[in-house]
Parts: sequence; structure tokens; C-alpha cells
Amino acid sequence: DIQMTQSPSSLSASVGDRVTITCQASQDTSNFLNWYQQKPGKAPKLLIYDSSNLETGVPSRFSGSGSGTNFILAISSLQPEDIATYYCQQYDHVLRFGGGTKVEIK
Amino acid sequence: EVQLEQSGAEVKKPGESLKIACKGSGYSFPYYWIGWVRQMPGEGLEWIGIIYPDDSDTRYSPSFQGQVTLSADKSTSTTYLQWSSLKASDTAMYFCARGRELAAISAFDFWGQGTKVTVSS
Repeated sequence: DIQMTQSPSSLSASVGDRVTITCQASQDTSNFLNWYQQKPGKAPKLLIYDSSNLETGVPSRFSGSGSGTNFILAISSLQPEDIATYYCQQYDHVLRFGGGTKVEIK
Repeated sequence: EVQLEQSGAEVKKPGESLKIACKGSGYSFPYYWIGWVRQMPGEGLEWIGIIYPDDSDTRYSPSFQGQVTLSADKSTSTTYLQWSSLKASDTAMYFCARGRELAAISAFDFWGQGTKVTVSS
């Protein structure tokens, strides 16, 4: 099975900072890599699908890139409402989430 | 408007059985995969499995194979997650989610509100 490793597991940044989260797959996943945001007590929300496609309604400060085994979620200018945990997710034979990255405001 | 409505919170004892529901509306229910996700208290997201309601094609994560059963009822646009014998370690929030693409497994774009399951003696 493919394993997904996210880093960092947590980060603290200032409002307006550029933030990047990485997701590394143990095997080639092509571009089948999605990113979700989860706020406390809420269901996850799809942000990016197929590595780099912005889901409808998601602010343009979010972007995704990568292919194969290395992927990045970027927030160009961190906002207070972006405080959440972010998860990558891939599919080969079974779906798999990364361990999550908790984003906090400094 | 696409919606997934999950059944209410449950409190059960170890060894009891349970079936929780996820009802879809606002789209062609049979033709979109539905996934189920577990989130234990304070932990991350784990895929349980996915089901295609039209033919009940089901795929389980290895960790959950044999531990739970997914099913679907096209006539009521509902999918189910069930346990035959609950354990305390099944205490968690359970989410259902809809596949984004018609008949394809990809990202999951609409999510239920979650069902909290508590198993305690």
C-alpha cells in the first residue's frame, strides 16, 4: 500500500505569510492527489483535486502542485480563517490520507 | 443542492450491533461513489471504504476489512455503515462523503455532518 507522509505536522505563521505543506507518497501516484481542510468540529472540505485544480468556491490564495511522489499545498497569504488541519489524500487501490498538518497563527 | 444527511449520534455498549446511515439528495445518487471516514477523538482521518450504490461495488481499506460492512439502498438514496459487534475502540466520529466525478473514484466534494458513535460499558 502507498503511504502518505505530510510535513510539517504543525506550523505557526503570521497573517499574510506564505505557507507551504508537503505530502510525499511512497510510490508514484501520478497526479491523483487531493487536499482537504478541516476545522475543529467540522467535516473536511475539499480544496484541491488532482494535484493542482482549485475546487469551486475555494479562495485563489490556495494552490497545489506536484506529481509522482512529491506534492505541495501553498497558501499565498495566510488569513485567520485558514486556521485548520490540512490533509492530503491519494487513491491507488485503496484511499489513503496523510497524517495532517495543523496550521496556527503566530 | 447536493446534500448528505447522516443519522444521529449513538451510544452503545461493547458487543452490540449498530448501523448508521447517510442519505444523499440533490444529485443522481446511484452513480456517484460514497466513501466513509473514521476520525477517532483528537486524531486524523482514516478511510474505511467506498461503495458505488448502483451495483454495490465495495472496496475496504485493509484496516477495516472484516470489521465493518458497507451497503447501499438505491430506493432510499441511502448508504449504511454497520458493525456486528462494537468495541470501545470504535468510539469515533464517522463521516460519509460523495465522489466528485460521475462513476469515478477521485476526490470527495460533499460531506455529511458526521455521526458520533460512543461505545462504553
